[in-house]
Amino acid sequence: EEQLLESGGALIQPGGSLRLSCAASGFTLGNYAMSWVRQAPGKGLEWVSAISGGGYTTYYADSVQGRFTISRDNSKSTLYLQMNSLRAEDTAIYYCAKDLAATAGYYFDYWGQGTLVTVSS
Amino acid sequence: ETVMTQSPATLSVSPGERATLSCRASQSVDSNLAWYQQKPGQAPRLLIYGTSSRATGIPARFSARGSGTEFTLTISSLQSEDFAVYYCQQYRSWPLTFGGGTKVEIK
Repeated sequence: EEQLLESGGALIQPGGSLRLSCAASGFTLGNYAMSWVRQAPGKGLEWVSAISGGGYTTYYADSVQGRFTISRDNSKSTLYLQMNSLRAEDTAIYYCAKDLAATAGYYFDYWGQGTLVTVSS
Repeated sequence: ETVMTQSPATLSVSPGERATLSCRASQSVDSNLAWYQQKPGQAPRLLIYGTSSRATGIPARFSARGSGTEFTLTISSLQSEDFAVYYCQQYRSWPLTFGGGTKVEIK
């Protein structure tokens, strides 16, 4: 059974940094592109960032470009999101989501349960 | 950026009735449209991809159609487990974008 388990969410002050992790099991992570999608409290879904299966191509939403970095370690079956210069508006549940194929830019057939990031002083 | 607009924001339906949800794209996404269901406290679940193909394990009462900029998701006979929020997502171009969601609630 394919599973995704996020971790690393926390309460962090504005301007701070945080790294999220997403551990994959039940499938070969390197065969699939992955994304991070966030959901602010009571709001809708917002795609944040994507990375191809091999890790060579990355994409970012304008709202996080230059502050967030997506990466992956396929040998550890783990996806990461390094978040710097955090703002209050980054407060959200962050989901990792599995793409259809190794090339990013499709829909998401499996999602983790999410990890909560709260940016507040 | 392709803006996705869903309507209505809330849909009140009685169990057993039909529900029709709409999703409009600000520019053509061809058939690159997916639908997700999200229940409170849960992650989204893929329902439909490629505009009209049901994902694995999705009941036949869920159907979808459309192309270009206009799309619909229909639930033919609402069951208690179908009351949730539904999102559309385009994957025609970057950035990937979601609609604001339609909440289907019990009438």
